[in-house]
Amino acid sequence: DTGVSQNPRHKITKRGQNVTFRCDPISEHNRLYWYRQTLGQGPEFLTYFQNEAQLEKSRLLSDRFSAERPKGSFSTLEIQRTEQGDSAMYLCASSSDSATGELFFGEGSRLTVL
Amino acid sequence: DAKTTQPNSMESNEEEPVHLPCNHSTISGTDYIHWYRQLPSQGPEYVIHGLTSNVNNRMASLAIAEDRKSSTLILHRATLRDAAVYYCILRSFGANSKLTFGKGITLSVRP
Repeated sequence: DTGVSQNPRHKITKRGQNVTFRCDPISEHNRLYWYRQTLGQGPEFLTYFQNEAQLEKSRLLSDRFSAERPKGSFSTLEIQRTEQGDSAMYLCASSSDSATGELFFGEGSRLTVL
Repeated sequence: DAKTTQPNSMESNEEEPVHLPCNHSTISGTDYIHWYRQLPSQGPEYVIHGLTSNVNNRMASLAIAEDRKSSTLILHRATLRDAAVYYCILRSFGANSKLTFGKGITLSVRP
């Protein structure tokens, strides 16, 4: 297993366009998390899945953001009508069902909105 | 979520021990203390976690105060590769618990 994989690694888009990021977690992990990180800040929690169920969403996740995990495996994060303030690194992580299980992070997808 | 307080930055010399402090005075009885680190241009990676007793693993040691209101991450021999942002995080024991990151402490290692 190669760990958590995220694609694309970099995305440059114009304001108003839609973008989609994909995350492939470690295969046996049931839990999947999305975070956003801007320069100089720690990662901010966006949303969390247990298998295919989206169990928690941050208030940061406006109605322009939607995340799915249709078969409990890979996940997508879509941002509609992007704004310059959406420019950030989008990080995905997965973990086992253990309540204290460590999170394994991908290398992130960097979004630049022009 | 209970909050942690860390210094903004710390410098160390290569091959010397490093002690990274963390205060968490509002910790609850079910909060685990987790440490993650983030190397430049990478996602965070797990370092260590503990509840009450001191913990050791191949990466580091975690010393937890008796009242659990503070803890210290110890890198026994810093290398240049240890230069990173280190996050001290309280994570509630529970099925849906997530990690809430602060700004962390930036560790610089001098050759």
